[in-house]
Amino acid sequence: DAGITQSPRHKVTETGTPVTLRCHQTENHRYMYWYRQDPGHGLRLIHYSYGVKDTDKGEVSDGYSVSRSKTEDFLLTLESATSSQTSVYFCAISESGTLNTEAFFGQGTRLTVV
Amino acid sequence: GEDVEQSLFLSVREGDSSVINCTYTDSSSTYLYWYKQEPGAGLQLLTYIFSNMDMKQDQRLTVLLNKKDKHLSLRIADTQTGDSAIYFCAEKTGSQGGKLIFGQGTELSVKP
Repeated sequence: DAGITQSPRHKVTETGTPVTLRCHQTENHRYMYWYRQDPGHGLRLIHYSYGVKDTDKGEVSDGYSVSRSKTEDFLLTLESATSSQTSVYFCAISESGTLNTEAFFGQGTRLTVV
Repeated sequence: GEDVEQSLFLSVREGDSSVINCTYTDSSSTYLYWYKQEPGAGLQLLTYIFSNMDMKQDQRLTVLLNKKDKHLSLRIADTQTGDSAIYFCAEKTGSQGGKLIFGQGTELSVKP
């Protein structure tokens, strides 16, 4: 298994509070991604990073921010959590952005906003 | 709207073949992927195919690609109860900056 660790694995938080999810990799891969998984929608890209301090938005980025201060860590922050952000969040890593490069996924973080 | 479409559920009997279907929209050079997600787990890459291929076979898995109709299928031969999972089709194209775009996922249920 690729060395990807997501933390926490489960979290319950209150509406309006900030929340930070962490993705840590030991593969030294350049690309890192945050997805959310919701029934009927599959996985949707929130943000991704193509290097330290280099990030870009995905298709559902509103309400989320990210930071990547070092290669191994990619943080996803919900600035003020809402119930619509209740979801399962997956981090993925990829050695490069070329089309035939495999992406490896973490185990997921289940976030509930009450 | 979604760029990749899948039916949501499929139920088969153990030992039968399963066929999971997917349609995509981007006609630029594309890699198409099949991922498997078991309950409570992340996604595991099963196989992938480049859009200039028609078919790829890997043990019990056969991927068929119809480029004209932008239709992709995953056939699992001799389906086992351990194959019960959600299967995601995904495309990766140059027009999307090399990002994976996923379908909704097909939940495969294998009955003994």
